[in-house]
Amino acid sequence: DAGITQSPRHKVTETGTPVTLRCHQTENHRYMYWYRQDPGHGLRLIHYSYGVKDTDKGEVSDGYSVSRSKTEDFLLTLESATSSQTSVYFCAISESSSGSDFYEQYFGPGTRLTVT
Amino acid sequence: QKEVEQNSGPLSVPEGAIASLNCTYSDRVSQSFFWYRQYSGKSPELIMSIYSNGDKEDGRFTAQLNKASQYVSLLIRDSQPSDSATYLCAVNAGNMLTFGGGTRLMVKP
Repeated sequence: DAGITQSPRHKVTETGTPVTLRCHQTENHRYMYWYRQDPGHGLRLIHYSYGVKDTDKGEVSDGYSVSRSKTEDFLLTLESATSSQTSVYFCAISESSSGSDFYEQYFGPGTRLTVT
Repeated sequence: QKEVEQNSGPLSVPEGAIASLNCTYSDRVSQSFFWYRQYSGKSPELIMSIYSNGDKEDGRFTAQLNKASQYVSLLIRDSQPSDSATYLCAVNAGNMLTFGGGTRLMVKP
């Protein structure tokens, strides 16, 4: 298994509070991704990173920010959590082969977040 | 909007049968196609990658790609109850993946 950990694995928080989720990898992969998974919507990309301090928005980025100060860590922050952000959050990593589009992604174990 | 479509199922097959899972995609420039298996409460696990037209076999799994028809499929031979899971199709869009909603497979003993 790819060396990916996520913390915390479960969190319950109140509306309006800030929340930070952490993804840590030991594979030294360049790309890191944050997804959320909800019934009826599947996996949706929130933000991704293509290197240290290089990030970009995904499909559902509103209300989320990210930071990547080291290759191994990618943080997802909910500045002011809302009930609509109750979801399961997955981190993924990828390392493309040079000159190809072979972007295989490997997923972490996930974080179940409940906003009350 | 680039789309990846899958029948949500459930697809029910008897143990030992062939399960056939299908996926269509809208972006003609996509070059990489993936199948993930996700057990309930777990994270997606990459089981097959395919990049060129034709078939790719790995054990009991065969991925089939037809770029002209924008169609990718996954065949599972000799299905086992342990294959019961949701199967996600993913297609690259640059260095990102677009996922289908998944097909739930149930293999009955």
